[in-house]
Amino acid sequence: QSALTQPASVSGSPGQSITISCTGTSSDVGSYNLVSWYQQHPVKAPKLMIYEVTKRPSGVSNRFSGSKSGNTASLTISGLQAEDEANYFCCSYAGSSTFVVFGGGTKLTVL
Amino acid sequence: QVQLQESGPGLVNPSETLSLTCTVSSGSVNSGSFYWSWIRQPPGKGLEWIGYISYSGSTNYNPSLKSRVSISVDTSKNQFSLMLSSVTAADTAVYYCARHYDSGTVFFDYWGQGTLVTVSS
Repeated sequence: QSALTQPASVSGSPGQSITISCTGTSSDVGSYNLVSWYQQHPVKAPKLMIYEVTKRPSGVSNRFSGSKSGNTASLTISGLQAEDEANYFCCSYAGSSTFVVFGGGTKLTVL
Repeated sequence: QVQLQESGPGLVNPSETLSLTCTVSSGSVNSGSFYWSWIRQPPGKGLEWIGYISYSGSTNYNPSLKSRVSISVDTSKNQFSLMLSSVTAADTAVYYCARHYDSGTVFFDYWGQGTLVTVSS
């Protein structure tokens, strides 16, 4: 059981938008604007997609956006493309001792 | 582009010590700007942070694993390593190495592909 809760799967058709939620607690997501999101294709290294809740690294499409409300962070992917089909997981800072906690991952299927 | 590559045995006997190395290329573990982490993912489960080390050797470990974990760095080889002692089947996982900044923010900007370690006799 992961510290952060994500839906196991989401799906959408090409061109649509989807949102993946990541629910934590007041000790992690709710206390710090240090939520990041990663994309992982099978047998590939995870790729940073969003950091500090809303920021996109250079080279990441602006179709990817992040937000946070209370103890829940969200990743939205607009204009879904076939290449977006992957596993997505969230991560939050949780204090100097625990350091970070992760979500269990969400499998995105592009129909 | 920074690349990280995990290496080590894919099979470890119960009660023995798991040992993995992460080799960094197109970047330096000697950079004062970054920390170097180990993260694992048991089959069918979520990710778990194991610990990190700086270029100077300062470490921070997951409290749940602290008694069994040691992370070291070899700047001459541009590598950092993980040792996990007294392993059990529960330590079977894909082990990743990753890099993160050391100041004011926390996110992992580069990861290795991961290596599966199975604990079994």
